[in-house]
Amino acid sequence: QVQLVQSGAEVKKPGASVKVSCKASGYTFTNYYIHWVRQAPGQGLEWMGIINPSGGTTRYAQNFQGRVTMTRDTSTSTVYMEMKNLISQDTALYYCARDRTRSVVPTAPLFWGQGTLVTVSS
Amino acid sequence: DFQMTQSPSSLSASVGDRVTITCQASQDVTNNLNWYQQKPGKAPKLLIYDASNLEKGVPSRFSGSGSGRYFLFTITSLQPEDIAIYYCQHYRMGLTFGPGTKVDVK
Repeated sequence: QVQLVQSGAEVKKPGASVKVSCKASGYTFTNYYIHWVRQAPGQGLEWMGIINPSGGTTRYAQNFQGRVTMTRDTSTSTVYMEMKNLISQDTALYYCARDRTRSVVPTAPLFWGQGTLVTVSS
Repeated sequence: DFQMTQSPSSLSASVGDRVTITCQASQDVTNNLNWYQQKPGKAPKLLIYDASNLEKGVPSRFSGSGSGRYFLFTITSLQPEDIAIYYCQHYRMGLTFGPGTKVDVK
């Protein structure tokens, strides 16, 4: 079965960086896009960006351009999301999610990781 | 900027009631519109894709319709386990989620 297992919770100080991992299993890793979506406490869903595990190409949401980097390691079927210059408003649950289809254009996250809580506090 | 709006922002209905949520896109999105359910403490779950297609394993009381800019999500007979927040979502140069509709049972 498809599984996405994320790394554990992180506590960071303002200005620091965080790197969250997402290990995929149960399918061919390079066949499906992986999205990153975050959710601040009590708030809605915010899409951060997407990575194509096959070639490593990425697209980032405008709000995160220049501050987020998504990478992948095909040898371990793992994708990473690194965010720098953290501020308190970055405190949120960060999800990775695999797209629904193998389409050229990704359209819908279907399989989700358990989420990684990142807390930014001085 | 491309935006999605949903209405209502919250609703309360009785078990067995028909519940309808609307989603409006700021531009034509054809049928590229999905619906998610998020229960407290859980990751979102895809219910409807491409406006009207039921994802595998999703109960048939859930349905979607619409195209262009206006979409509807319906629960034909509300159940206690349907307490959740429901989001519409579109992919256009990136994912955009609606603000969500909180559904409670009276």
